[in-house]
Amino acid sequence: EVVMTQSPGTLSVFPGETVTLSCRASQSVGSRLAWYQQKRGQAPRLLVYGTSARDVGVPARFSGSGSGTDFTLTISGLQSEDFAVYYCQQYEHWPPWTFGQGTKLEIK
Amino acid sequence: QVQLVDTGGGVVQPGQSLRLSCAVSGLTFSNFGMHWIRQAPGRGLEWVATIWEDGSSEYYAASVRGRFRISRDNSKSTLFLEMNALRVEDTAVYYCATLAGGPSDYWGQGTLVGVSS
Repeated sequence: EVVMTQSPGTLSVFPGETVTLSCRASQSVGSRLAWYQQKRGQAPRLLVYGTSARDVGVPARFSGSGSGTDFTLTISGLQSEDFAVYYCQQYEHWPPWTFGQGTKLEIK
Repeated sequence: QVQLVDTGGGVVQPGQSLRLSCAVSGLTFSNFGMHWIRQAPGRGLEWVATIWEDGSSEYYAASVRGRFRISRDNSKSTLFLEMNALRVEDTAVYYCATLAGGPSDYWGQGTLVGVSS
């Protein structure tokens, strides 16, 4: 099983700042890495797939990068609607399809 | 537009059963492998089960294997999760999803399953 580890667990930032969320896989997942955003009481929403491709309608301030075992999601110029929990997920080695434990982005 | 509607959740006692459904519209259901993912209160996302487009293959998380069964009815564009021998630790919101790894990634709104004595 590929274990996905996200850091940090919680990030406190001011609106307008730029943040970088990290995700590490226990073995290489190539570029088969997705990022999801989940707001309270809602289902997750796909932001990025294939490491760096933004899903339809996702603002350009969200950018993904990395390969192999180390990946990042950068959010430039945080907006109020961006404060949420973010999950990475690998789909290279399955089953199981595995998610990171999440990074909570909160307003400072 | 695409809609996935999860239903069937509720509160049951340990050892009892529930059947979840996911009604899909707005896409060609038979073209998609389908997944159930759950989220315990205050916790992260956990993959539960997957079924291939034509139902020919099924996969289960170790925590549910032998107790849960995933199935689908392509003629009705509906996904199911039969959950037996429920445990307290199965308490979660259950989501159906295409988990497409790209565009056409869609999730239901989730249905809450509570297991408590």
